[in-house]
Amino acid sequence: QKEVEQNSGPLSVPEGAIASLNCTYSDRGSQSFFWYRQYSGKSPELIMSIYSNGDKEDGRFTAQLNKASQYVSLLIRDSQPSDSATYLCAVSNAGNNRKLIWGLGTSLAVNP
Amino acid sequence: KAGVTQTPRYLIKTRGQQVTLSCSPISGHRSVSWYQQTPGQGLQFLFEYFSETQRNKGNFPGRFSGRQFSNSRSEMNVSTLELGDSALYLCASSLERGDNEQFFGPGTRLTVL
Repeated sequence: QKEVEQNSGPLSVPEGAIASLNCTYSDRGSQSFFWYRQYSGKSPELIMSIYSNGDKEDGRFTAQLNKASQYVSLLIRDSQPSDSATYLCAVSNAGNNRKLIWGLGTSLAVNP
Repeated sequence: KAGVTQTPRYLIKTRGQQVTLSCSPISGHRSVSWYQQTPGQGLQFLFEYFSETQRNKGNFPGRFSGRQFSNSRSEMNVSTLELGDSALYLCASSLERGDNEQFFGPGTRLTVL
């Protein structure tokens, strides 16, 4: 069983719409959650980090965390064609060997 | 602050050769993590270094090794290259811990022929 799961997509939304990206994780002890954006041929870029249950907003991006249900989501409001990329979810693992566990990413296409 | 730098950006090698990749973290960051990224496999964790010590290791064969210097710069080495080692190799720096915010370099694209 994968430890961090994301729908691979592609998720296709029209320009100006809200894009909703979801991520579930298996380690109940996870404390830190991150969303990265990766354009084709480029390296991942940190968009949001969230550590507490609830919503965290940064510009057009909102991260939502629900530890009881073990999911974290990313909402992108007023989606733009420049948001077209792969979005990676990363979750810290509990225990002694602390590292980030990565999902395979969701491909987002924003259509003009 | 300057970002994470990686050299070289592109490499072409043949099977059986070895390769060394270099990573300079963001100034003040002490943790460096290395990843292999291939289509369909996502980001695969190789290892993490902190204060010149390997703190964590992924499930890769011993052909993959690394080290970190006193200035936090890190190198990774792959010996006896195989075709399957063709990938994008990314390093990421963190302030203190590898399970917190990581900032990636541009990567080294390795092609093994």
